[in-house]
Parts: sequence; structure tokens; C-alpha cells
Amino acid sequence: EAQVTQNPRYLITVTGKKLTVTCSQNMNHEYMSWYRQDPGLGLRQIYYSMNVEVTDKGDVPEGYKVSRKEKRNFPLILESPSPNQTSLYFCASSLSFSAAPWRDEQFFGPGTRLTVL
Amino acid sequence: AQTVTQSQPEMSVQEAETVTLSCTYDTSESNYYLFWYKQPPSRQMILVIRQEAYKQQNATENRFSVNFQKAAKSFSLKISDSQLGDTAMYFCAFFPTSGAGSYQLTFGKGTKLSVIP
Repeated sequence: EAQVTQNPRYLITVTGKKLTVTCSQNMNHEYMSWYRQDPGLGLRQIYYSMNVEVTDKGDVPEGYKVSRKEKRNFPLILESPSPNQTSLYFCASSLSFSAAPWRDEQFFGPGTRLTVL
Repeated sequence: AQTVTQSQPEMSVQEAETVTLSCTYDTSESNYYLFWYKQPPSRQMILVIRQEAYKQQNATENRFSVNFQKAAKSFSLKISDSQLGDTAMYFCAFFPTSGAGSYQLTFGKGTKLSVIP
């Protein structure tokens, strides 16, 4: 089954304790990205990656790191989490935004609910 | 930076009726895609429909259609024959493929749609 998986789905942690949220896709997609969703703000892109070893900042990259060593994995790293990073996080992947059929190309993971105390 | 504006935080519609959700965006680019995503209470992000900026014809997907006005930078979503399962948050999103911010997906803040039996 084609899917994007995220782990963990729920996480409660404390300020300053490094954490990693994993994201993996099994569709050989080139483009992967991370978003955070906050009430009243919609989804905001944190980082994205066009392919292996290529990453770029989105709109809200401060306090986050990513890596893309393999095509299927795109972990999100919070080196020193703070309470303002409490949010719902989504990973997403797509083959290409120009190829068809487009409906089969864009997948979001189920989300990770992170609480930083 | 690109901006996407959804001016209706909440809307409601009677079952079987038609509703239109509005979205405007601001860009100087000519090459881009526009999307509507649906987020039901399960929090899963589901791609509803997409429009390529170079296409003049409005996209349609079953009961969902868009009114794309490129000069006005407007991209509204029309849902016909509304069903209870359409109850969700709807996000408009913009994805440029050229210029500054290319390949960054920018979302609006969302419109909460309730379908009333």
C-alpha cells in the first residue's frame, strides 16, 4: 500500500530534550516536505526536499533541522524543543507536480501531535 | 513571499445544496499550481482538486469544481450536491514552479465547512 508514515503519532516532551520525528514513504517520491499546523494559521511549510541531499527552508524553519540521506526518509529534528513548537506536524511526499495522474501523486502522512512542556 | 487568503473562516450549507469557498492569492509568478485540500475531523489531509495556471479550463472532479480567474488571482471551490461527508476544513494552497519561493507550498488559513442535514 502506497503511504507516508510518521512516527511517533503523539509525543509529549520537555523543553530542551532533542527529538526526531521520522517520515518515510514507499512510493519512490522525489519531493518531500514538512508542515506544522496551528489553529487559525493553517499549514506552514518548515522544510522541503526536491531529492536526496537537497533540502531548502520553507516559511518557518527556525528551530528545526532535516536531512535527506535516502530517498524514502525525511526526518524532522528538533535539537532543543521549546513550547512554541507545540503543534501538529505533517510530512508529505509527491513524485512530481507536473506528471500525471496528479491525484495519485500527493500524499500526506497521518500527522504527529507534539506537545513541548 | 506568496500569500494565500481565505476570507471565510466558517461556512455552512444544507445537505444537497451548493456552496462556494473563496480563495485569493498574491504572486508575481506566471507558473504555478493551485490546490484545494480537505481535512476532515480525522486530521488526514486529502487532495480534492488542482489547477495548473497555464490551463484556462477550470478543473472539475465529480461534485467539485473550481472557478479560476488568473487575472484576478482568484481560485474558488464549488461543491455541488453537498454531502454530510463534506464536513471538513478546506485549505487552498499555492505552489509556484518558478521564481522566488518556487516549489514551496503555501496554504491559506482554511475555511471550516459544516454540512447541515
